[in-house]
Amino acid sequence: EAQVTQNPRYLITVTGKKLTVTCSQNMNHEYMSWYRQDPGLGLRQIYYSMNVEVTDKGDVPEGYKVSRKEKRNFPLILESPSPNQTSLYFCASSPLGRGDNQPQHFGDGTRLSIL
Amino acid sequence: AQSVTQPDIHITVSEGASLELRCNYSYGATPYLFWYVQSPGQGLQLLLKYFSGDTLVQGIKGFEAEFKRSQSSFNLRKPSVHWSDAAEYFCAVGNSGGSNYKLTFGKGTLLTVNP
Repeated sequence: EAQVTQNPRYLITVTGKKLTVTCSQNMNHEYMSWYRQDPGLGLRQIYYSMNVEVTDKGDVPEGYKVSRKEKRNFPLILESPSPNQTSLYFCASSPLGRGDNQPQHFGDGTRLSIL
Repeated sequence: AQSVTQPDIHITVSEGASLELRCNYSYGATPYLFWYVQSPGQGLQLLLKYFSGDTLVQGIKGFEAEFKRSQSSFNLRKPSVHWSDAAEYFCAVGNSGGSNYKLTFGKGTLLTVNP
């Protein structure tokens, strides 16, 4: 089954304690992306990756890092989390190319609470 | 810069009534347009997409949307709403050029269905 898998699904942690949210896809997609969802703001892109070792900033990258060492994995790293990073996070993937390949597959989300 | 406006934050309809959710976009070229649905505690599920061709697009769960270039709109419709349609709906526009397949989302419309 085609899947984008995020872990953990829920996490409560404290300010300053480094954390990593993992994202893995089994569809051999080149493109992967992270979004955060906040009430009244919809989803906003944090970082994206076009392929292995190719990453770039989205609209709200401050306070986040990513890496793409393998095609299937795209972890989101919060080196020093702060309360304003409390949010619902989604990972998404899609193949390269336009047309019907465009729709992105989303994971089920990770709800982070930073105290 | 691309943007999406969903004018209605919250809509309430009765079960069996028709539904139309509004979406207006801003994009310099021919847009790629999407509607996603998010049930409580769930990820995003793609309802339908528009890339080119027929401006009336059929999706899953009995939904359809019509692309109107002159009005920069991509409204979602369903002739008869079911209680299970209660969810939050997001319209999104995707890049049709460039290297970032970023989706720009509207802020969402919450649909309540009364029995």
